Amino acid sequence: NAGVTQTPKFRVLKTGQSMTLLCAQDMNHEYMYWYRQDPGMGLRLIHYSVGEGTTAKGEVPDGYNVSRLKKQNFLLGLESAAPSQTSVYFCASSRTSGGAPDTQYFGPGTRLTVL
Amino acid sequence: GENVEQHPSTLSVQEGDSAVIKCTYSDSASNYFPWYKQELGKRPQLIIDIRSNVGEKKDQRIAVTLNKTAKHFSLHITETQPEDSAVYFCAADTGNQFYFGTGTSLTVIP
Repeated sequence: NAGVTQTPKFRVLKTGQSMTLLCAQDMNHEYMYWYRQDPGMGLRLIHYSVGEGTTAKGEVPDGYNVSRLKKQNFLLGLESAAPSQTSVYFCASSRTSGGAPDTQYFGPGTRLTVL
Repeated sequence: GENVEQHPSTLSVQEGDSAVIKCTYSDSASNYFPWYKQELGKRPQLIIDIRSNVGEKKDQRIAVTLNKTAKHFSLHITETQPEDSAVYFCAADTGNQFYFGTGTSLTVIP
């Protein structure tokens, strides 16, 4: 049981390049989330998914797209990277409890630098 | 949407002393309040949580209190140890997503 995993762990991009971050969970969780973490700003939600085939915008969705084609995977895409997207990205997942999401479990993070 | 404020942003205590971190929230619909600990370069990990139908919860040296009327909740760490040094985040769950505080960097001085 690996929990939540993320690939890659580190990446350096040039401005304008694109990339996809992969999140996988083996806990059969319904909910999955993508956050970015910047110094002094805590964790900010980019997009989330409440089930396979569904996605929704979070607090800071601009410049990112996501897909949830399989229940266990949640992909985060950057179409045209910008230096402002330099950050640490965390994926998380949670099961439902009483119809609402429960405790979130985080992946190890991806450190992205955009030059 | 929900707004979670966390104080203080930094906290230094002597080993063995207590540490208290406070959070306020704005949305009365929030019903679940987890606390996460994040060590340098690591992922956030849940240390304790509380639901809106409970006023206090304790787990060994860690306790959380919730005041729904005032919309604030607090993390209490007693008998602090150097390994408690980390960044702590509070969060409020509106039912669809978590809103996180900006974090408290706790340093326990041996």
